[in-house]
Amino acid sequence: QQQVKQSPQSLIVQKGGIPIINCAYENTAFDYFPWYQQFPGKGPALLIAIRPDVSEKKEGRFTISFNKSAKQFSLHIMDSQPGDSATYFCAAIDGGATNKLIFGTGTLLAVQP
Amino acid sequence: DTEVTQTPKHLVMGMTNKKSLKCEQHMGHRAMYWYKQKAKKPPELMFVYSYEKLSINESVPSRFSPECPNSSLLNLHLHALQPEDSALYLCASSTQENTEAFFGQGTRLTVV
Repeated sequence: QQQVKQSPQSLIVQKGGIPIINCAYENTAFDYFPWYQQFPGKGPALLIAIRPDVSEKKEGRFTISFNKSAKQFSLHIMDSQPGDSATYFCAAIDGGATNKLIFGTGTLLAVQP
Repeated sequence: DTEVTQTPKHLVMGMTNKKSLKCEQHMGHRAMYWYKQKAKKPPELMFVYSYEKLSINESVPSRFSPECPNSSLLNLHLHALQPEDSALYLCASSTQENTEAFFGQGTRLTVV
């Protein structure tokens, strides 16, 4: 119930393509869903986040789509660039007082020039 | 300022050493976290401090000892570590209203 399932494990796209990363969860107590981008040797950096009462959110080239009834959400990267090559983690926050952050397993994205 | 600062960036220590990792944030966040991350894996939660009190210990071995001296600082004291404890140790902070956590750049720890 505490898991966030993420797919695919790795993804290769050409520059300008639109990689899509999918996540699914079971715990209905999750009420906030951030996405993180991590470069090798660096800490995860917050990209974009969404609450389950919103079906879509865009920030620059990054878009989250959220399907509350299916308990699924996804990240789309528009016009992907080689600099977007990184590991992407979806996450979910358990709506308790401690803000426990549960990570998906990660997707290694490579954007080829 | 959305910065969480961790020191040192790299640390090599022997199994008999005692060392400390430090974390600082000035965003007024009242929740602070320690995570451990192994290569090609997601961060794993170790400890959560809420309003300077330890609220979650994810069954972490006692050779890891957290400390929160004030609302801006978080330490992780290390003693008698094992080589398998080598990892990237991440500090994070967040507000108390179920929002995202901001991470530091991590300390790359190697135990020899």
